Amino acid sequence: AQSVSQHNHHVILSEAASLELGCNYSYGGTVNLFWYVQYPGQHLQLLLKYFSGDPLVKGIKGFEAEFIKSKFSFNLRKPSVQWSDTAEYFCAFSSGSARQLTFGSGTQLTVLP
Amino acid sequence: NAGVMQNPRHLVRRRGQEARLRCSPMKGHSHVYWYRQLPEEGLKFMVYLQKENIIDESGMPKERFSAEFPKEGPSILRIQQVVRGDSAAYFCASSPPEGGPNYGYTFGSGTRLTVV
Repeated sequence: AQSVSQHNHHVILSEAASLELGCNYSYGGTVNLFWYVQYPGQHLQLLLKYFSGDPLVKGIKGFEAEFIKSKFSFNLRKPSVQWSDTAEYFCAFSSGSARQLTFGSGTQLTVLP
Repeated sequence: NAGVMQNPRHLVRRRGQEARLRCSPMKGHSHVYWYRQLPEEGLKFMVYLQKENIIDESGMPKERFSAEFPKEGPSILRIQQVVRGDSAAYFCASSPPEGGPNYGYTFGSGTRLTVV
């Protein structure tokens, strides 16, 4: 079955700390990978996406993610977090031309000022 | 340029009542997707519709849930005879006809349904 696993449910960091959120997917075919962010009370916003090519993808607000096919992983990173990064982060994938996304359970990031 | 509009933002229903959740897609988008987020879980796909047509309802519970997207007006997710387990956040996304997760997929802010 298709699934996404996000290892950390809640991460607490101080400002300027580095961030890495883990994401592993389970699917045997071609995937498109996504990270979404949800700020409190707001809609999900796309941070970055990977379809093909360079496995290191840069997104908005200084975030990046690396696709490692052999590990079925797509971890999200940011070298220095800010208080405004406090939000919930979701990893997701779609397979081939499918219209639906399969989401992980999310990681709540709290950045302390 | 309004995004995907969902209303109401919060909805409280007593057990056994009906819940109607509305989703107005972005301008130019004719495809709508509904997802449900149960507490402590990720979003789960429910149904994908285009105007007057259900394309994929593989994620819809077999009973009490239905969805429509009429020629005019918003898409409606309807839950009959709600139970406590229906309490969740319901998100809608829309895309243009040629779009999908890879292009143009835009989410609304969700409707939080609480069944008491």
